[in-house]
Amino acid sequence: AQSVTQPDIHITVSEGASLELRCNYSYGATPYLFWYVQSPGQGLQLLLKYFSGDTLVQGIKGFEAEFKRSQSSFNLRKPSVHWSDAAEYFCAVGSPGGGNKLTFGTGTQLKVEL
Amino acid sequence: NAGVTQTPKFQVLKTGQSMTLQCAQDMNHEYMSWYRQDPGMGLRLIHYSVGAGITDQGEVPNGYNVSRSTTEDFPLRLLSAAPSQTSVYFCASSYAKASGTTYNEQFFGPGTRLTVL
Repeated sequence: AQSVTQPDIHITVSEGASLELRCNYSYGATPYLFWYVQSPGQGLQLLLKYFSGDTLVQGIKGFEAEFKRSQSSFNLRKPSVHWSDAAEYFCAVGSPGGGNKLTFGTGTQLKVEL
Repeated sequence: NAGVTQTPKFQVLKTGQSMTLQCAQDMNHEYMSWYRQDPGMGLRLIHYSVGAGITDQGEVPNGYNVSRSTTEDFPLRLLSAAPSQTSVYFCASSYAKASGTTYNEQFFGPGTRLTVL
């Protein structure tokens, strides 16, 4: 069965500092990987996705993620964090067919200090 | 397009009451899903549907029923609410398949926050 691990429950960074959120997955085939962001009281917004090809993917809001098959990782990065990036971030792996089901990690809560 | 819509936005129930959470999408998506979100547990799949008349269980289906009589609607029913069902519920939809891809991203609704006393 597929699974996703986000080892950091909470992360605090200063505005302008760089950010890396970790995500490790377990999946038997080529994974379909996603990062979603959820602002307080809001739904989920897709930041970026990896299906195949270039292992460095660019997303919205200046985020990027790198797929590393050898490490089963899909870490999310941003060079300079803005106060508005404070939110909860979810990594997910998708199962093609049969409903395109998603398995989510437990999330990382990001706090940005001004 | 309104995208994925969910009603109500908030709901408080007493233990044993029943209710239906509504979900609708206007994108003609074949696939629809229900997830629940609990603190420290991320989102977990409750039920999903691959088309009208076809539904299946996800990771945490107990206590919930679904049906899909139309492409647009996918209601989630709680027949006898329990405090353990206090959660935020998200509906999502996606295309089954598009040219050149084997997976299509899911679009999420704004959620329903349910409290069971």
